[in-house]
Amino acid sequence: GAVVSQHPSWVICKSGTSVKIECRSLDFQATTMFWYRQFPKQSLMLMATSNEGSKATYEQGVEKDKFLINHASLTLSTLTVTSAHPEDSSFYICSARGARERNIQYFGAGTRLSVL
Amino acid sequence: EDKVVQSPLSLVVHEGDTVTLNCSYEVTNFRSLLWYKQEKKAPTFLFMLTSSGIEKKSGRLSSILDKKELFSILNITATQTGDSAIYLCAVYSGGGADGLTFGKGTHLIIQP
Repeated sequence: GAVVSQHPSWVICKSGTSVKIECRSLDFQATTMFWYRQFPKQSLMLMATSNEGSKATYEQGVEKDKFLINHASLTLSTLTVTSAHPEDSSFYICSARGARERNIQYFGAGTRLSVL
Repeated sequence: EDKVVQSPLSLVVHEGDTVTLNCSYEVTNFRSLLWYKQEKKAPTFLFMLTSSGIEKKSGRLSSILDKKELFSILNITATQTGDSAIYLCAVYSGGGADGLTFGKGTHLIIQP
């Protein structure tokens, strides 16, 4: 149980375009989903927290107009990187947490974004 | 600001050795400490610790938490090459962000 699917696993795009990343909880209802960013040899850095049906809460320094998060259902959250630039190239990982095990987050496989 | 520090940052041992990975933390309103294993992609959940002194065990892996000294250790006995990964320690606190605060991880390499 507790499977989180993230898609796509790898995306290359041109500078100025927008990229959407999907995160789905496959076998449980995710009341809360999280988006992290990971730089090479660095730890996961929390970008934002989203609860189903409400606006995402962004961490300090994360531009909410650049990283649009939608959590329209209990099994799906999306992260859209708008007008991507090379400095946005990174590894983005989502995680999901259910109502039962509130302290455990289950992670997706991550998305490698390369902006040319 | 919540902080999680892992040591060592990297470790190379031979198959069959026992390793101990360390995680210390400074957080407000500590709730739980979690260990994950990351092999190239998604971190895989290993343990969640909330109480001091109670060992969690799964096969050759075990972990324990000391809430007085604010640290946790992850032990792996009889290591195998498949244990090679980055081991992440994360803390869930009630203060500030609702997400986990991660350490930088320990990159463990098991040589045959």
